[in-house]
Amino acid sequence: GAGVSQSPSNKVTEKGKDVELRCDPISGHTALYWYRQRLGQGLEFLIYFQGNSAPDKSGLPSDRFSAERTGESVSTLTIQRTQQEDSAVYLCASSLALVLPPYEQYFGPGTRLTVT
Amino acid sequence: ELKVEQNPLFLSMQEGKNYTIYCNYSTTSDRLYWYRQDPGKSLESLFVLLSNGAVKQEGRLMASLDTKARLSTLHITAAVHDLSATYFCAVDEGSGGGADGLTFGKGTHLIIQP
Repeated sequence: GAGVSQSPSNKVTEKGKDVELRCDPISGHTALYWYRQRLGQGLEFLIYFQGNSAPDKSGLPSDRFSAERTGESVSTLTIQRTQQEDSAVYLCASSLALVLPPYEQYFGPGTRLTVT
Repeated sequence: ELKVEQNPLFLSMQEGKNYTIYCNYSTTSDRLYWYRQDPGKSLESLFVLLSNGAVKQEGRLMASLDTKARLSTLHITAAVHDLSATYFCAVDEGSGGGADGLTFGKGTHLIIQP
């Protein structure tokens, strides 16, 4: 079946502009995650959605970042007034959030964001 | 704060050799994941380790977990060029359902030379 998809695959924007990144999880996956990967680094967890529960936003880097999810489908990550330090690959993952592990996360191809 | 440390961060080896990548983490957890990332690509799940003493093998790769030592290893046997990639370990210390996300190591960049 189809995997996690993200759009756009690449985004170049000027400093100060707003950007919106989109994630379509695997059908039936109730949990959705956003991560950020800076060049040559591991992944940094940003936010998690589970069903209709309100997400914990404490992992977002600043108040310029926000994320939404409609039900158990598409999610958008919005970065307002982008800064050069926001340049990174933003990865989305989804999982079947069952009561028991493995909670295995399946990753999308990512959106490469470059702020000039 | 959970810390996950991998070593080495960079490894160049010849085909046919064996080597081990180490992943240490700083808190009690029995859920550890290994991922592979090829250049410009996303992450591919390799192994899910969910209990102390868990060992999983796939082809030339074998992963193990020692929760008491807070250590996981990824062992490569008779390496081949196709295994060249960056390997990440990730730990889930959440209460369940993955609500806290995964904490990743910085990755081990592996180059296998013919």
